[in-house]
Amino acid sequence: DGGITQSPKYLFRKEGQNVTLSCEQNLNHDAMYWYRQDPGQGLRLIYYSQIVNDFQKGDIAEGYSVSREKKESFPLTVTSAQKNPTAFYLCASTPWGRGTGGSTEAFFGQGTRLTVV
Amino acid sequence: QKEVEQNSGPLSVPEGAIASLNCTYSDRGSQSFFWYRQYSGKSPELIMSIYSNGDKEDGRFTAQLNKASQYVSLLIRDSQPSDSATYLCAVNFRGNAGKSTFGDGTTLTVKP
Repeated sequence: DGGITQSPKYLFRKEGQNVTLSCEQNLNHDAMYWYRQDPGQGLRLIYYSQIVNDFQKGDIAEGYSVSREKKESFPLTVTSAQKNPTAFYLCASTPWGRGTGGSTEAFFGQGTRLTVV
Repeated sequence: QKEVEQNSGPLSVPEGAIASLNCTYSDRGSQSFFWYRQYSGKSPELIMSIYSNGDKEDGRFTAQLNKASQYVSLLIRDSQPSDSATYLCAVNFRGNAGKSTFGDGTTLTVKP
């Protein structure tokens, strides 16, 4: 079945530690996104990538880093510079990300819940 | 001012009633509008998309779009307890075909 797989489902980070969240898709989508969701709030965009080997900062990129070496994969690293990383992280993809035509909805993974201990 | 705003919740309706969820957006050139449903602890799932002015119906759900007023709404008829969830409005602004801006969501509770 086609879809987006995020791992792990739950992740615990110690103070000062970097952690990496995995996101893999087999939908052959060009564009991938990382969102953060805090309790009672909507989704805020961290980073997005419209094509392999290229990515752009979203609204809250500070303390995060990404890579897009393969079309299928878009891992997110939460660095020690992110002072309040406890949140629900969602990876999403769309068939394309550029231009103004053919707009489409996002397909989401099941999310990773990150907690600082 | 937020780019996408939803009516503040929580919203509570009795089973069988119509639930009305509202969303306004700031960019007049916005092209695509989506309603996602999110159960607690789960990821969002698309329930409706709308691209042109007017109404779009899918089963018990109706999306309404008015670009002149920069307003999109979701009506849920014959509400069921299983409709209890947070509903997120998402808007794709011009030039960003895939990148959505989300509202903060409205939490709906349908009471049996």
